[in-house]
Amino acid sequence: QSVLTQPPSASGTPGQRVTISCSGSSSNIGGNYVYWYQQLPGTAPKLLIYRNNQRPSGVPDRFSGSKSGTSASLAISGLRSEDEADYYCAAWDDRLTGHVLFGGGTKLTVL
Amino acid sequence: QVQLVESGGGVVQPGRSLRLSCAASGFSFSTYVIHWVRQAPGKGLEWVAVISYDGSHKYYADSVWGRFTISRDSSKNTVFLQMNSLRAEDSAVYYCARGDPTWFFPYLDNWGQGTLVTVSS
Repeated sequence: QSVLTQPPSASGTPGQRVTISCSGSSSNIGGNYVYWYQQLPGTAPKLLIYRNNQRPSGVPDRFSGSKSGTSASLAISGLRSEDEADYYCAAWDDRLTGHVLFGGGTKLTVL
Repeated sequence: QVQLVESGGGVVQPGRSLRLSCAASGFSFSTYVIHWVRQAPGKGLEWVAVISYDGSHKYYADSVWGRFTISRDSSKNTVFLQMNSLRAEDSAVYYCARGDPTWFFPYLDNWGQGTLVTVSS
């Protein structure tokens, strides 16, 4: 069980707005940046959001990130079929030996 | 363009060793942190290890600490992951990824295609 908790699944219909949550603690999300990754089926993960709410170049502005306290969220607006993927949050943890954490992942289904 | 290519995966018996390589190109290799992340079949991402730009600092996940060693050779633009005392639960696709130039935060902006490691008798 991951220290960063994500719902195992989420779904929405095309055009909808969906959010995926990531819950942590003061030693990780509460005091550090959150990152989000998208993994399309059969491919390597791709950086989607960094430093809580920044988008790398090339990532559509339909994707947005936010953080409040010890939780973070990824929002996808104008949902499209190609958004069907696994989404992972990640953060640095001040207390863990290895420091880097991934959430358990959320499988997004576009109905 | 930035490219990371993993190699060295394969089938290995429990208790044996394997060394993975991550060959980098298209960027100034010696100025970036490099991470290893793995994904067991049908499972989520698990961070494994990270090495600083100059190799002086390394961190490991608890699950591999004492068994895995990360290193880098700037003359070859390559990062290695030496995996000893392998267990069945180490079976996964292993990805290397480019990190931040300075920090160890999970800012992984370029990933390789992965190499599959299967630990089985």
